[in-house]
Amino acid sequence: RKEVEQDPGPFNVPEGATVAFNCTYSNSASQSFFWYRQDCRKEPKLLMSVYSSGNEDGRFTAQLNRASQYISLLIRDSKLSDSATYLCAVTSYGNNRLAFGKGNQVVVIP
Amino acid sequence: NAGVTQTPKFRVLKTGQSMTLLCAQDMNHEYMYWYRQDPGMGLRLIHYSVGEGTTAKGEVPDGYNVSRLKKQNFLLGLESAAPSQTSVYFCASSFLQGAREQYFGPGTRLTVT
Repeated sequence: RKEVEQDPGPFNVPEGATVAFNCTYSNSASQSFFWYRQDCRKEPKLLMSVYSSGNEDGRFTAQLNRASQYISLLIRDSKLSDSATYLCAVTSYGNNRLAFGKGNQVVVIP
Repeated sequence: NAGVTQTPKFRVLKTGQSMTLLCAQDMNHEYMYWYRQDPGMGLRLIHYSVGEGTTAKGEVPDGYNVSRLKKQNFLLGLESAAPSQTSVYFCASSFLQGAREQYFGPGTRLTVT
């Protein structure tokens, strides 16, 4: 089983709609969780950390489910500028490293 | 404050040639990482460093060597390039122990023919 798994999509979302996707992880000892955003042919940039109680940053909501070992990202009121690939990342190997998923590609359609 | 920079941005190599990719960060970060990103494979860790003078293997270290002689620089070497090393290479750095927020460089696009 891969350390971090994501459904690559693409997720085609009408502008203004809500989209959500999950990322599953295999290492129950993972302690920190993140969502990164990567635009086409650009470097990944941190979107938000994921906290145990769940957290929001504007239109973005991240949640952690330790029992089922997945994190989720929800985007409300999608904008054209939200089109990107969203990578989840979890700490690995004694927490010195991050393991990344392959990403969820989101395409917001006018 | 430039953040993380990478040199070069693009490179074409012939099979068997060698090259060094340079990563530099001006944020005084302890941790530095080299990843490669291939279509359908996601980001894979090649080598990383938890401080000046230290290096460790990641997920796909074969065919690469690294050095961290100065805290701000992390070099990735390819001694004898192979077409399988055609990829986009990203360097990243992190301040806090525990590989928390990582800051990425803009990437180096390498083609090996």
